[in-house]
Amino acid sequence: GAGVSQTPSNKVTEKGKYVELRCDPISGHTALYWYRQSLGQGPEFLIYFQGTGAADDSGLPNDRFFAVRPEGSVSTLKIQRTERGDSAVYLCASSPSGPPDEQYFGPGTRLTVT
Amino acid sequence: GQNIDQPTEMTATEGAIVQINCTYQTSGFNGLFWYQQHAGEAPTFLSYNVLDGLEEKGRFSSFLSRSKGYSYLLLKELQMKDSASYLCAVKDSNYQLIWGAGTKLIIKP
Repeated sequence: GAGVSQTPSNKVTEKGKYVELRCDPISGHTALYWYRQSLGQGPEFLIYFQGTGAADDSGLPNDRFFAVRPEGSVSTLKIQRTERGDSAVYLCASSPSGPPDEQYFGPGTRLTVT
Repeated sequence: GQNIDQPTEMTATEGAIVQINCTYQTSGFNGLFWYQQHAGEAPTFLSYNVLDGLEEKGRFSSFLSRSKGYSYLLLKELQMKDSASYLCAVKDSNYQLIWGAGTKLIIKP
């Protein structure tokens, strides 16, 4: 079956611009996670959805970052007033029924802020 | 604070065996995962340990000692395609994954 998909695969934007990153989880997976990963580092947790609600958003670095999952499937990560330090690979993962199940990752979106 | 430690890089020979260690200090423990990540790709699940002992899955095995806060991933009969980063991650008391920085494994012919 189809895995987790993310669009776009690459995004280059100028400092100060707004970006949206999309994640399509595996059908039927209720839990969805956003991470970001810098080169040579493990994934850094951003936010976790159980259904439509954000169950844990403690990893969002500041109020420029926001994520939604209005119908409990597709999720969008939104970054306002981008900064060069936001450059990273943004990974989305889903799991069938929340913790402690294994997470299935999408291919990621490589964001570059110039 | 929460901490996951694993070696930055290891080198091994094709056909040999390699052990990648992971030590952790987390607020609570609800399982330990190992993931494989090839360069430029997303992590893929390898193994899960929640009880002490060894879990074997083909050429890969994972061991856990909760009292020591220690795990290792054992890879046997190494193949060139095993060249990748291996990430250790622990589920804490909030059931969130805390990730190590990964161990880059280089396989030489």
